[in-house]
Amino acid sequence: DQQVKQNSPSLSVQEGRISILNCDYTNSMFDYFLWYKKYPAEGPTFLISISSIKDKNEDGRFTVFLNKSAKHLSLHIVPSQPGDSAVYFCAAVVNDYKLSFGAGTTVTVRA
Amino acid sequence: DAGVIQSPRHEVTEMGQEVTLRCKPISGHNSLFWYRQTMMRGLELLIYFNNNVPIDDSGMPEDRFSAKMPNASFSTLKIQPSEPRDSAVYFCASSTYIGANTGELFFGEGSRLTVL
Repeated sequence: DQQVKQNSPSLSVQEGRISILNCDYTNSMFDYFLWYKKYPAEGPTFLISISSIKDKNEDGRFTVFLNKSAKHLSLHIVPSQPGDSAVYFCAAVVNDYKLSFGAGTTVTVRA
Repeated sequence: DAGVIQSPRHEVTEMGQEVTLRCKPISGHNSLFWYRQTMMRGLELLIYFNNNVPIDDSGMPEDRFSAKMPNASFSTLKIQPSEPRDSAVYFCASSTYIGANTGELFFGEGSRLTVL
């Protein structure tokens, strides 16, 4: 049962432009939403999170937006850099520890 | 600072053999997770330990899988007997209790298992 969905398997963006990654979820009981970044042959690395009681969280070039009525989450990366090329996983927490992950979006930043 | 350490990084074995994957969490972290990543199912939680006690093993596929955490600095995931469908990347992750609540986990580099 996929409770967190990333419908775009890949995204290509030019260096310096904005990257927008999207995520939809079905479980209204999720407490926190997160984005993880993963390079090949490495484990996922926590990037940014947002509590279910907020609608925006910003950390440097990364901003996460939460629209609870639409059950939609997005990650904005501005400006995109070559080092941002990776797989990005949307995730959500329920029951104090249970993380559900989306399938991932592969971002390629073109020079 | 050392992160989560997993071994082996790669394991190739034949069907029916026993496989043991190992994990050393970050010192001071009291929550430990085993995740599996496959093309079909993505990243899925296998088992969660808190203070060395298994809290949720509902993700363990079947009796062939077992996990232990004998102390705060070591955990194992064992598959016996292994089958080709067990081929996947197995990740260990650790966190503080607060980190587990908010989903902020520290993942190891993973153990890539291939069962022939």
